[in-house]
Amino acid sequence: AQTVTQSQPEMSVQEAETVTLSCTYDTSESDYYLFWYKQPPSRQMILVIRQEAYKQQNATENRFSVNFQKAAKSFSLKISDSQLGDAAMYFCAYRSGQKLVFGQGTRLTINP
Amino acid sequence: KAGVTQTPRYLIKTRGQQVTLSCSPISGHRSVSWYQQTPGQGLQFLFEYFSETQRNKGNFPGRFSGRQFSNSRSEMNVSTLELGDSALYLCASSGTGWAGNTIYFGEGSWLTVV
Repeated sequence: AQTVTQSQPEMSVQEAETVTLSCTYDTSESDYYLFWYKQPPSRQMILVIRQEAYKQQNATENRFSVNFQKAAKSFSLKISDSQLGDAAMYFCAYRSGQKLVFGQGTRLTINP
Repeated sequence: KAGVTQTPRYLIKTRGQQVTLSCSPISGHRSVSWYQQTPGQGLQFLFEYFSETQRNKGNFPGRFSGRQFSNSRSEMNVSTLELGDSALYLCASSGTGWAGNTIYFGEGSWLTVV
């Protein structure tokens, strides 16, 4: 069974600086999808970025980018120019068929 | 384009009662899945429906059930509620083809069992 591990329960960063959230996963599959979701206090899960495992190029969405290391089974999220609105829980997720397997989450605090 | 809509947003039930939660997926999406989120267990997959058929089921007791209608709307039911069923229940939908690779979530239904 696939597992997802986020080793940082909490992180904090100064506004306008860069922060990296870590995620590792375990799978025997060769083709899969990985996601980062953001969950603000409203509790809605918002898609931040996705990565197809067959693509070697790291995904980028504006200030958000990933460092996908397939051999190491690592999928970290980098947030550049952090903004107050980035404060939230961040979940790394692995798509296994029609379901997502989530990590335990990282609570990100932005210090003004 | 409307997102995933869940109702009710908040509800309080008494132990032993049953509850039904509703989810309307994004227009055109035929896959609907449900997740339970608790502080202790995190996010756990309940089940997934596609074209009115349950395709996948998580490791939850039979008290948790669901169904999907021909318009892709879905409901989940929890019978004989226990205190431990208090949680945020998230519904998600996905499309087919390239669009099916991403799963989109609703705002969730907060269930409190007293």
